[in-house]
Amino acid sequence: DIVMTQSPLSLPVSPGEPASISCRSGQSLLRTNGYNYLHWYLQKPGQSPQLLIYLASKRASGVPDRFSGSGSGTDFTLKISRVEADDVGVYYCMQDLQTPYTFGQGTKLEIK
Amino acid sequence: QVQLVQSGAEVKKPGASVKVSCKASGYSFTNYNVNWVRQAPGQGLEWMGIINPSGAGTSHGQRFQGRVTMTRDTSTSTVYMELSSLRSEDTAVYYCARGRQGVSGPNFDCWGQGTLVSVSS
Repeated sequence: DIVMTQSPLSLPVSPGEPASISCRSGQSLLRTNGYNYLHWYLQKPGQSPQLLIYLASKRASGVPDRFSGSGSGTDFTLKISRVEADDVGVYYCMQDLQTPYTFGQGTKLEIK
Repeated sequence: QVQLVQSGAEVKKPGASVKVSCKASGYSFTNYNVNWVRQAPGQGLEWMGIINPSGAGTSHGQRFQGRVTMTRDTSTSTVYMELSSLRSEDTAVYYCARGRQGVSGPNFDCWGQGTLVSVSS
């Protein structure tokens, strides 16, 4: 199984400040087609997860451009340019290069 | 709009089975795989398996080997996940999530509302 490791696990951020979450995979998620099979999800309190970024850097429909994803191979980053109160929740990375699909442990973002 | 609606909460005894449904609407049912993900109380997300509604092919995680069955009914655009030999560690919220179309589309772009399964004697 591909192990996904996120850091930090807890992220207190002041409104308007930037935030960054790292995700590392146990093996390269880059396929020969040029896509990295790494995705980012946000689970707001009491809600189902929602897709933010897919294939490492593509923003999902309706996601504000404050959110961006980058990285390739085994190292990936989710960045929020200016954190808002509505961004609180747990952020997960996930790989679907191969089954079983695996998630990172989650990063809990809270507002200072 | 694209929507996945799951069945309601269940309470089961150890050793029993549970069957959770996930009804799709707003898109062509047979064009997208459906995944099952679970989340134990206060814990992270765990992928369980995937079903292709077109051909009914399935794949699941090894830890669910022999205990999970995924099926679909194309006439009602519904997928089902049945988990047998339940134990207390299976207490969790179970989600269905739409899979990717092709190799470059979004994955898990729509999730059901979740179904709480509680296993207790």
